Amino acid sequence: GENVEQHPSTLSVQEGDSAVIKCTYSDSASNYFPWYKQELGKRPQLIIDIRSNVGEKKDQRIAVTLNKTAKHFSLHITETQPEDSAVYFCAASMGFQKLVFGTGTRLLVSP
Amino acid sequence: SAVISQKPSRDICQRGTSLTIQCQVDSQVTMMFWYRQQPGQSLTLIATANQGSEATYESGFVIDKFPISRPNLTFSTLTVSNMSPEDSSIYLCSVDFRDTDTQYFGPGTRLTVL
Repeated sequence: GENVEQHPSTLSVQEGDSAVIKCTYSDSASNYFPWYKQELGKRPQLIIDIRSNVGEKKDQRIAVTLNKTAKHFSLHITETQPEDSAVYFCAASMGFQKLVFGTGTRLLVSP
Repeated sequence: SAVISQKPSRDICQRGTSLTIQCQVDSQVTMMFWYRQQPGQSLTLIATANQGSEATYESGFVIDKFPISRPNLTFSTLTVSNMSPEDSSIYLCSVDFRDTDTQYFGPGTRLTVL
C-alpha cells in the first residue's frame, strides 16, 4: 500500500522567513495530495491541495509543488507569521478517497 | 459551508466498556470516514462508512472492535468496544462533500480510557 514520509518533524523559523515541508510517497498511482494544518486541540483543516495533472499551485502565502517523477511534493509558506505555528500533515490518495497521511511537521514561528 | 459535528466531544471511560461516537453532517454526503489520532501522532484511517452496507475496514482494524453504522447520508456512528487504555485517542470523522477526494474533518472526540 501507499506510504508517505514527511520531513522535517519539527521546523523553527523567525517571523517573515519562509518554511518548506517535504513529503515523499511510494505509489506512483497516487494522484491527489492535500495538506492539512492542525492547531492544538483543533481539527485538521485543509489548507491547499494539488492533483497529479498540475505541477504547482499557489494560494496567497502558501504554495504546493509536485514532482511526479521523483514522487515528492512540498509545502511552501512565505512571510511566515506566528499564527502559522501548528502541525502540518501531508497526505496522498490513489483515489477511492483513501487518504494516507504523513507523520506531521510541527512548525514554530517565533516573533 | 457545510457543518460537521461529533458527539461527545470528549469522554473518560473505564476499561472493558464501550463508547459510541456520533458524526452528523448538515448535508447529504456519499463518503464518510473514521480516523484515529493517537496522542502526538498522525491520522490513521479506521474504516469507510458505507451507507446501506457494511463498513470497509483498513488493515489492523476489525468490525468486532470498531463497529460502524451508516443509516443515512448525513449520519454515522463509530463504537469503540471493550476499551483498554491503548484506545485512548482522538477519533475523527471526515466527509467528502463532492466525491472529489477532498476530505473535511469533524471536531473530533477525545477519548481517555482508565
